Order: sequence, then structure tokens, then C-alpha cells
Amino acid sequence: DTAVSQTPKYLVTQMGNDKSIKCEQNLGHDTMYWYKQDSKKFLKIMFSYNNKELIINETVPNRFSPKSPDKAHLNLHINSLELGDSAVYFCASSQGGYLNEQFFGPGTRLTVL
Amino acid sequence: AQKITQTQPGMFVQEKEAVTLDCTYDTSDPSYGLFWYKQPSSGEMIFLIYQGSYDQQNATEGRYSLNFQKARKSANLVISASQLGDSAMYFCAMREVNTGNQFYFGTGTSLTVIP
Repeated sequence: DTAVSQTPKYLVTQMGNDKSIKCEQNLGHDTMYWYKQDSKKFLKIMFSYNNKELIINETVPNRFSPKSPDKAHLNLHINSLELGDSAVYFCASSQGGYLNEQFFGPGTRLTVL
Repeated sequence: AQKITQTQPGMFVQEKEAVTLDCTYDTSDPSYGLFWYKQPSSGEMIFLIYQGSYDQQNATEGRYSLNFQKARKSANLVISASQLGDSAMYFCAMREVNTGNQFYFGTGTSLTVIP
């Protein structure tokens, strides 16, 4: 049983296209996250979301939007892809409470040509 | 100010030796958690160990221990008896009560274990 799953694992696309990455967690967690990891391995939080609140990192372009159909899913939509969007995107989830760790998905490697 | 600082971009250790990866944090919140993650070359993020701000004893998980020095605001990861499979990126992270469910990650330390 995969705790946090993401699809696709690899995504290669042309500049200007719109794409989505899906994320699902079966842990019953109340909060989900999206991170971007660049080529230098820096992990940047993009969004965190629970059923009450969406917190957006202000540096994230509005071409990126999270969509949550239910508590177990948080998908990432990206419009008008740019070369600089190439990175690995991680979905994660956690339970509330400062002592609870995050569980990460396997990551999606996005390459924009 | 950075919430989490990892000052060692790269570290080398001889197989079977112990190694300490440094992590300092910045918070005024009395309630927080500190976490370490491992990211091998295969890319997945693996949770290793955590320490709560009120914990009196240092956390240990197998060969991993967390050297928690609250007054210094440091949470160093100690790996004992290093193995080749320990070669990976290691990230320190913090979670505070005051900022809700946010996690703050450091820039990571790349550890290479030498045979």
C-alpha cells in the first residue's frame, strides 16, 4: 500500500503547454503539500492545504494552482509551462500537530523543452 | 532570517565511522518539532527521526540519533557506523505551532561514505 502516490513519475512537455500532476494519500492526513525541488536540491514549499485553508507561498507564480477534490487528493495544475518550471515536484501529507512528520510521494520529474 | 540552517553542503566519512550533520534553527515558539530526512540518489524522501522541543532526552532510531541542544538551537544528526547506503542528501526540518502546519527545510547536506 503506497502511502502517498503521485502520477506521472516523469513528465516531458513543450513550453506553453498546460499540465497536471495528481497526488493521493491514503493515510487519513488532514494536510497536503506541494514542494518544488530544483537542480541544486533546494526544497521550496509551494502550497499547503487542509480542508479549511490554502496557504500559498507568495513567490509561486499564479500559473500554478492546487486543486483538491477531496481530503485525500491534492492535484497540481500548471498553465503555460516555462523552461524554469523544470524540476522535481513532491507531494506530501501530514497530520496536524507539530510533532507529526510529513510523508512524501515519490516525486514527479517535470522537464519542459 | 532562515528558519533552518545547514552549513555543510558536503561531507565525507569513512565507512564504519560516525558522522555528525549540523543543523541550527531559529524560532521563538516554545513548541516545535525537528525532523531529519534522507534523500538517496533514487530521489525519494525518507523520514529518519524527530525531536520535540519538550523532549528531555535525545531521540534515537537505530544508528541515527539527534543531538538536541536547545539553548544553542541546534539539532544535529549523528549517524553511527556509517554504511555505503548512507550516501545521500540529508535535510533538517522544523515545524512550529505558531505557523500552523508549515514545515521549514534546510538546504541539505550531501553525505558521501567512502569505502
